Amino acid sequence: NAGVTQTPKFRILKIGQSMTLQCTQDMNHNYMYWYRQDPGMGLKLIYYSVGAGITDKGEVPNGYNVSRSTTEDFPLRLELAAPSQTSVYFCASSDKTRTYEQYFGPGTRLTVT
Amino acid sequence: QKEVEQNSGPLSVPEGAIASLNCTYSDRGSQSFFWYRQYSGKSPELIMFIYSNGDKEDGRFTAQLNKASQYVSLLIRDSQPSDSATYLCAVRVRSGGGADGLTFGKGTHLIIQP
Repeated sequence: NAGVTQTPKFRILKIGQSMTLQCTQDMNHNYMYWYRQDPGMGLKLIYYSVGAGITDKGEVPNGYNVSRSTTEDFPLRLELAAPSQTSVYFCASSDKTRTYEQYFGPGTRLTVT
Repeated sequence: QKEVEQNSGPLSVPEGAIASLNCTYSDRGSQSFFWYRQYSGKSPELIMFIYSNGDKEDGRFTAQLNKASQYVSLLIRDSQPSDSATYLCAVRVRSGGGADGLTFGKGTHLIIQP
C-alpha cells in the first residue's frame, strides 16, 4: 500500500514548455485534490475531483488543467509554463466518508525559468 | 474571500514546555478546522481536527475552538525537539461538488530548543 505517489519529484521547465504532473493513489479514495505551495506560504487548492470523470476548479486554477479517467489517477497538466508557476505541487486524496482526512503525496518541486 | 491567518513565527519554546499555536479565520460559516504538521521538505500530515466549540485532546496535543471569536488554537504539551516543524491551520471549504478542499494559513514555524 503506497498511499499517494507523485512523479516526478523535481523538474525544471523553460518558459512556454508544457508538462504533466502525475498523481496516483491506491487507497480507492473517491476524492482527489491538487494544491500548490509557494515558499513561506500555505497550500492553495488548484483543482479537485469527486470521482472519475468529474473535476472542478479550486482557488487558483488558471494555467492548469486536470482529468480523472480512473479512480486511481489524477494528472495535472501545465500548458505554457510561466515563472509564476514555480512552486511545490502536492496531490492529496480522501475517502468520501472521511473527507476531512486528506492524505498527501510527497510533492513535486517545479522550477520554471 | 476566505482567509486563515497565522503568525509565521518562528516560535521558540524550550523542551518540555507548552507550545501554543494560534489561528483566526474570516468565514463565519466555516464548519471544520484542522491542524497539519509539515517538516521541512516534506508533505503535510494531519495531526488534529475539531468541529465543535471547546477542547479536543489527543495525547500531547489539544485543539481549542471558539467559533464566536473565530479562533482555533493548538497546544502541544511536553514539547519535544521532534515537534519542531511548521504547523498549518486549515479550514474546511464547502463546494458544490461536496469535496472538502481546504483553505490553509501560511503556517507557524515552531522551534523546540533542547
